[in-house]
Amino acid sequence: IAGITQAPTSQILAAGRRMTLRCTQDMRHNAMYWYRQDLGLGLRLIHYSNTAGTTGKGEVPDGYSVSRANTDDFPLTLASAVPSQTSVYFCASAGLATNEQFFGPGTRLTVL
Amino acid sequence: GQNIDQPTEMTATEGAIVQINCTYQTSGFNGLFWYQQHAGEAPTFLSYNVLDGLEEKGRFSSFLSRSKGYSYLLLKELQMKDSASYLCAVLDSNYQLIWGAGTKLIIKP
Repeated sequence: IAGITQAPTSQILAAGRRMTLRCTQDMRHNAMYWYRQDLGLGLRLIHYSNTAGTTGKGEVPDGYSVSRANTDDFPLTLASAVPSQTSVYFCASAGLATNEQFFGPGTRLTVL
Repeated sequence: GQNIDQPTEMTATEGAIVQINCTYQTSGFNGLFWYQQHAGEAPTFLSYNVLDGLEEKGRFSSFLSRSKGYSYLLLKELQMKDSASYLCAVLDSNYQLIWGAGTKLIIKP
């Protein structure tokens, strides 16, 4: 693994289904983030984690949950997907020294 | 509220210079980032300014004026591969990044 990986690359999901988007980094970064990106809008923070064992809510947390059991993994779960959650989801991580965020390749999610 | 403004779209000619502006109003300021995002790809880091002035990095430069809540990204000797969206983001008092909607830059031959 080099950097940040996300899975799946894309997914079509029926409304009401549960879905977990996976994110793994190998840079030993403390902080990790989940964003959604919609056309015409900036990246919007869903949830974040400043260190393993802690999480926080971002700008648009409703309908999403996260966990941070260890440094490397930061999964995002949609408990019951709705069409408004159709978006591109990016996971990012940052070290303490620079605050520069490194992004995964993204997951394109369509909820029908 | 927190707000980052940048133009939606700009067009420039290959070989020319273009300046992309960003104005911000945020709760606190701990630095301003510029990222580049090609269509269908993830954002990648371009620059970081925390003090006033100009930071130069090859063909790209970024300027910051904290008193004016203003930054710009200057791209010189434009190449076709510079066609992308450019995202301005401010690190607020909670060390969270607040993102602008991005400026789509179209380069014409």
